[in-house]
Amino acid sequence: NAGVTQTPKFQVLKTGQSMTLQCAQDMNHEYMSWYRQDPGMGLRLIHYSVGAGITDQGEVPNGYNVSRSTTEDFPLRLLSAAPSQTSVYFCASSETSSFHEQYFGPGTRLTVT
Amino acid sequence: GEDVEQSLFLSVREGDSSVINCTYTDSSSTYLYWYKQEPGAGLQLLTYIFSNMDMKQDQRLTVLLNKKDKHLSLRIADTQTGDSAIYFCAESKRQGGKLIFGQGTELSVKP
Repeated sequence: NAGVTQTPKFQVLKTGQSMTLQCAQDMNHEYMSWYRQDPGMGLRLIHYSVGAGITDQGEVPNGYNVSRSTTEDFPLRLLSAAPSQTSVYFCASSETSSFHEQYFGPGTRLTVT
Repeated sequence: GEDVEQSLFLSVREGDSSVINCTYTDSSSTYLYWYKQEPGAGLQLLTYIFSNMDMKQDQRLTVLLNKKDKHLSLRIADTQTGDSAIYFCAESKRQGGKLIFGQGTELSVKP
């Protein structure tokens, strides 16, 4: 199993550009989540999904969209990038049908200029 | 409200014990977690404790929970250079509920 994979590892965007961060897991996990990590702060939940076709907002959803068309994939879309979205983004999936015991991907470092 | 606080840095010598502290404000927290983040990597679950427990031990790791003071600690015995990482405390209100993370404590282990 590859676990949780994320692409790209690094990305630089200009303000106003859009892009999609990819996340995939091959463990047949139901729960998947997107977090952002900012200096001096803990991880904050952006969006999450409890299964294919079902998504919900987390703590900081504004400026981001998600979809879950398959169990394996959970892409995060930035519609119009802003400097405030400069961050490290982590995708996670859960072995149990919950946020318990999450497996994290290696992260995507995004810079918006 | 929900708030989880950690000190930002801790430096220890190889072979010593490390104690990483965490305080939380929500008395209804049910599960408390410790995650480890190595440089350039995602978070890895180290251990967790249910709120009706005072202590949990797993090899070199000991978790202590003082529910009255809302204080959680992670003790690493015989700290090694490979333990250098950022350690995050997190809480959830129920089993499987969303996690609230602290800011992370960067542990530096000097040879």
